[in-house]
Amino acid sequence: AQKITQTQPGMFVQEKEAVTLDCTYDTSDQSYGLFWYKQPSSGEMIFLIYQGSYDEQNATEGRYSLNFQKARKSANLVISASQLGDSAMYFCAMRGRDQTGANNLFFGTGTRLTVIP
Amino acid sequence: DVKVTQSSRYLVKRTGEKVFLECVQDMDHENMFWYRQDPGLGLRLIYFSYDVKMKEKGDIPEGYSVSREKKERFSLILESASTNQTSMYLCASSSGAQGGETQYFGPGTRLLVL
Repeated sequence: AQKITQTQPGMFVQEKEAVTLDCTYDTSDQSYGLFWYKQPSSGEMIFLIYQGSYDEQNATEGRYSLNFQKARKSANLVISASQLGDSAMYFCAMRGRDQTGANNLFFGTGTRLTVIP
Repeated sequence: DVKVTQSSRYLVKRTGEKVFLECVQDMDHENMFWYRQDPGLGLRLIYFSYDVKMKEKGDIPEGYSVSREKKERFSLILESASTNQTSMYLCASSSGAQGGETQYFGPGTRLLVL
């Protein structure tokens, strides 16, 4: 069974500091993908970053980087130089096979990040 | 840019009403998805479709049905709305075979069933 775990319901970070949001996953698939999405209070889910299971380098997109540790099955999101606009809910997700063999996304329960001025 | 639109941002319905939630994407994506989001539970997949007229059940299909008559449009139907279907509903689409890769989401519909 596929499972995504986000153990931090809420996090606070000072503006301009870096913050790490934790994500661990459990899968028996050899090929899978890991995603992070941001959900502001408006509700829309915004795609941030993707890491494939065979990618050797950690993914980076601007101020976002994904700290991928395959042996530990972790895919933490690092946000550098936090901004007030980063305050939102963040979801980790994994693309993997469900019980029917279909290739779908499995989501964690999310971490609410608050950036303090 | 990928654009996924949903017919309503907020909807209030009464118990027993039939409810239609519409989703349209403009990027010719093969795959479309409906999720519901509840506090503390993350996103749960209701139904998905990899092609026109094709539909597959997700994790929580009970009480819902879907329709995909055109590639760009995926409708979620609540045949007889109940209060436990009060939730945020999110539609997504992706390109590529067998579910594809990155899913792009619409703005969501907050449904309240009284």
